[in-house]
Amino acid sequence: GEDVEQSLFLSVREGDSSVINCTYTDSSSTYLYWYKQEPGAGLQLLTYIFSNMDMKQDQRLTVLLNKKDKHLSLRIADTQTGDSAIYFCAESRYSSASKIIFGSGTRLSIRP
Amino acid sequence: SQTIHQWPATLVQPVGSPLSLECTVEGTSNPNLYWYRQAAGRGLQLLFYSVGIGQISSEVPQNLSASRPQDRQFILSSKKLLLSDSGFYLCALTGKAGANVLTFGAGSRLTVL
Repeated sequence: GEDVEQSLFLSVREGDSSVINCTYTDSSSTYLYWYKQEPGAGLQLLTYIFSNMDMKQDQRLTVLLNKKDKHLSLRIADTQTGDSAIYFCAESRYSSASKIIFGSGTRLSIRP
Repeated sequence: SQTIHQWPATLVQPVGSPLSLECTVEGTSNPNLYWYRQAAGRGLQLLFYSVGIGQISSEVPQNLSASRPQDRQFILSSKKLLLSDSGFYLCALTGKAGANVLTFGAGSRLTVL
């Protein structure tokens, strides 16, 4: 299958942690990515993880990969108003290294 | 550094008219190039990708076509636009090695009336 799935919305209180989840179906995925899209803009890479890793941390961002369950998550610690955006999960597949498939995106909103 | 130029940034076209969106890249050679579409309230859909001049892979059968006449030029076209072609079109590139990280252009917003 080709699907990369995410929930559409997440609302978090400022200062709390945000956890955005993603599931994928292709077990041949080589790299998995998180991209961020701010309103009216293109996408920017936040972080990525190689499929033989299970965790990657970069400042406030923690990526967890459960390859057995084909589940990827992005945790943002101490969520700030500037984190409001759409977050896209994406995968790149070994069978076709040029083809990168995105999920539907999760809109993260921050409440005071 | 790699940069992607897309134009026009905004376009309003009547149904049935032709379309040409252009993407050019700088700071890299022999990239993989991509066209994605983001419809309102929806995710990012891969339309076409190209691994080299004249090489186009189409992901979704539709009203659009793509061409790569030069190494650093990628064009998205239509002969007759449909209402459903409205959306935000993003051009992107990756290198040939490494983690396949996409660099995106700023996008072209197309409204078909």
